Amino acid sequence: DAGITQSPRHKVTETGTPVTLRCHQTENHRYMYWYRQDPGHGLRLIHYSYGVKDTDKGEVSDGYSVSRSKTEDFLLTLESATSSQTSVYFCAISGTGNNSPLHFGNGTRLTVT
Amino acid sequence: GNSVTQMEGPVTLSEEAFLTINCTYTATGYPSLFWYVQYPGEGLQLLLKATKADDKGSNKGFEATYRKETTSFHLEKGSVQVSDSAVYFCALSETNSGYALNFGKGTSLLVTP
Repeated sequence: DAGITQSPRHKVTETGTPVTLRCHQTENHRYMYWYRQDPGHGLRLIHYSYGVKDTDKGEVSDGYSVSRSKTEDFLLTLESATSSQTSVYFCAISGTGNNSPLHFGNGTRLTVT
Repeated sequence: GNSVTQMEGPVTLSEEAFLTINCTYTATGYPSLFWYVQYPGEGLQLLLKATKADDKGSNKGFEATYRKETTSFHLEKGSVQVSDSAVYFCALSETNSGYALNFGKGTSLLVTP
């Protein structure tokens, strides 16, 4: 298994509260990604990072922010959680090049009540 | 941007049956194509990939051929097992989000004894 750890694995929070999800890698890969998985939508890209302090938006970035202060850590923050952000969140890492596959963590199941 | 369409299922097969999961894509340029598998409660795992037209990816008895003329990358297996029950995702490399992948919505496969 690629060395990717997501924390927490499960979280229940209330609407309007801030939430931070953490992704930690031990592979020293440059690229890191956050996806969300929802029934009927597959996986959709939220944000990605191409280096320390270098991040950019994906397809569904509204309501989310990210930070990457170290190569190994990529944080996803919901500033004010809403019920529509109830989902399973996956972190992934990759090397460079279009041939490089993504390697995924085991996900964080977030429920916003 | 690039997009992927795959049959949504669920697909139910008896053990030792032949499996086909259809995947077609729309893309500019020459993307790489991937199949991922997700077992319950886990992240996505790379199953196979193909990086150019007419390439055949294969792994664990599964195979898929990159068909540029039909823009397809159908997944096949000659004899499925109960342990193949999972959700299968077709994906292709994006052109403007680092090396992110664009995923289809997933096809659920259930193999019965």
